[in-house]
Amino acid sequence: EVQLLESGGGLVQPGGSLRLSCAASGFTFSSYAMSWVRQAPGKGLEWVSVIYSGGSSTYYADSVKGRFTISRDNSKNTLYLQMNSLRAEDTAVYYCAKSILWFGGRGAFDIWGQGTMVTVSS
Amino acid sequence: DIVMTQSPDSLAVSLGERATINCKSSQSVLYSSNNKNYLAWYQQKPGQPPKLLIYWASTRESGVPDRFSGSGSGTDFTLTISSLQAEDVAVYYCQQYYSTRFTFGPGTKVDIK
Repeated sequence: EVQLLESGGGLVQPGGSLRLSCAASGFTFSSYAMSWVRQAPGKGLEWVSVIYSGGSSTYYADSVKGRFTISRDNSKNTLYLQMNSLRAEDTAVYYCAKSILWFGGRGAFDIWGQGTMVTVSS
Repeated sequence: DIVMTQSPDSLAVSLGERATINCKSSQSVLYSSNNKNYLAWYQQKPGQPPKLLIYWASTRESGVPDRFSGSGSGTDFTLTISSLQAEDVAVYYCQQYYSTRFTFGPGTKVDIK
């Protein structure tokens, strides 16, 4: 079964850091671009970042650029999001999502994890 | 960034009736080299992650009922639910993946009248 499982969320103070993980199974992880998408409580979806299959190409939303870093370990089938200098407005459920395209960077998201909640508050 | 807008913000439709959601992008998402529109539609029910319904603007994802259809090209797109079922109550989002920085529309909430 194709599956994505996020972990690492929690409560953090403003200015703090957190690292999210997304464990993939059931597909050839190294062949697909992966993204992080977040959803603030009661709000819509916001794309955060994407990393292409080889890991060399990464892109970020302006709202997180310079503070968040996406990475992947294809040997461990795991996607990461390092979040630094966290702000209250980063409070959201964070989803990892798989691109539908084999070895393509720009594709729709066909598989989503259940999400992990990040709360930034003092 | 490409800005996505959706209309209406919400709609209520009787069971068995048609629901239509519109999505507009601030610039064309049609890639001329392959003639594909880089536009997807997702359904999200409360407490669940989004689910892919349509990609390339009109290709239905495997397992998605055929009452869901997507149309449009360039900057204007439509998601149609031909005969609304109770299980279709959800928020629907469009998304462009034409640029390297993907963006979602604000969502349209669909309810039963």
